[in-house]
Amino acid sequence: QVQLVESGGGVVQPERSLRLSCAASGFSFSAYDMHWVRQAPGKGLEWVASISYDGNNKYYADSVKGRFTISRDNSKNTVFLQMNGLRVEDTALFYCAREFAGPSFDYWGEGTLVIVSS
Amino acid sequence: SSGLTQDPAVSVALGQTVRITCQGDSLRSHIASWYQQRPGQAPVLVIYGLNNRPSGIPGRFSSSNSGDTSSLTIAGAQAEDEADYYCNSRASDNSHYAFGPGTTVTVL
Repeated sequence: QVQLVESGGGVVQPERSLRLSCAASGFSFSAYDMHWVRQAPGKGLEWVASISYDGNNKYYADSVKGRFTISRDNSKNTVFLQMNGLRVEDTALFYCAREFAGPSFDYWGEGTLVIVSS
Repeated sequence: SSGLTQDPAVSVALGQTVRITCQGDSLRSHIASWYQQRPGQAPVLVIYGLNNRPSGIPGRFSSSNSGDTSSLTIAGAQAEDEADYYCNSRASDNSHYAFGPGTTVTVL
């Protein structure tokens, strides 16, 4: 069955960096575009970034552009989110999600929590 | 602002029908998808494309689209349908995505 498992979250000071990972299993990972979506405590969903199936196309929300970098390793079925220059407002639960028809996001992980605090 | 708007909250009596709307310019050229999120859980896709339901989603969930508005309808709402519902669409630039602010559905 399809599984997405995020890791790498934690508590970090402002301006520091963190790298999130999302390990995929149960499907042909290299055939799918992947996304990161975040949710601040008590708030709604915010699309963060996407990467095409082959890693050649990457897109970012304006709120993270220039600070976050999405990448993937198809040999390890893993997508990453490198987060630099973290801000207090980046505090959120970060989900990875698989892109499906529509387009839509048909599978989500359980998320990894990032807390940015001094 | 995501560019998509949703009513913050709606309520529905058990077994009745409720419609949630999502409005935005991007919906004139892109189809919305809809997600259910129960407290403490990851979002779940309930509708994608032109009124398609993933496997396991009950038939009481349906959608419609007109102009700049997409609507999610729950016909015969059940207690387990109480959740936050988010719409999502590709943005007008075809590269970004946006979620609506979400609608909290309360089943009375």
